[in-house]
Amino acid sequence: QVQLKETGPGLVQPTQTLSITCTVSGFSLTSYYMQWVRQTPGKGLEWMGFIRSGGSTEYNSEFKSRLSISRDTSKNQVFLKMNSLKTEDTGVYYCARDSNNFPLGYWGQGTLVTVSS
Amino acid sequence: DIQMTQSPSSMSASLGDRVTITCQASQDIGNNLIWFQQKPGKSPRPMIYYATNLANGVPSRFSGSRSGSDYSLTISSLESEDMADYHCLQYKQYPLTFGSGTKLEIK
Repeated sequence: QVQLKETGPGLVQPTQTLSITCTVSGFSLTSYYMQWVRQTPGKGLEWMGFIRSGGSTEYNSEFKSRLSISRDTSKNQVFLKMNSLKTEDTGVYYCARDSNNFPLGYWGQGTLVTVSS
Repeated sequence: DIQMTQSPSSMSASLGDRVTITCQASQDIGNNLIWFQQKPGKSPRPMIYYATNLANGVPSRFSGSRSGSDYSLTISSLESEDMADYHCLQYKQYPLTFGSGTKLEIK
């Protein structure tokens, strides 16, 4: 069955770079878009960006200058990197896969990221 | 960007009540709207897609409707397990945008 699991650092210092890995199983990354969504106390749920089945990416302009999404299809992993972190970036970060009928049909459990010194 | 205005931000209702939550889109989104349910500590779960279609495994007491730019999620007879946050999402265009959420509590 479709499974997604995020792993992240937990705690990141302000100005540093966040790296999160989403490991998937039950499907191929070359067949589906993979999305990143975060949930923060200040702004709620925010769509961050996606990587297409073909490997190209699109980003929310809110994050565009500091966000990067990539993947390793051989390892069934998708990566999120975001630099210049601020305390407002504290929240839960989710990877999600589109279903056949609509986006964000399957979600990982999320990983909590705290930005603090 | 398309703005989704969700109301109410919170509500409480009794078991068996009919409950309605609404999202208003700032521009035409067709029916490209999803309703998610999110329980504490859990990921959002899609309940309704394309405004009116029930997602797999969702109880039939949940339904979605549209009136102009207003999209509604209705629970016909509230059960205790429905206590959760509910979020709408438009997927007519990127960036995808969410409503601000509704916290549903049981009286």
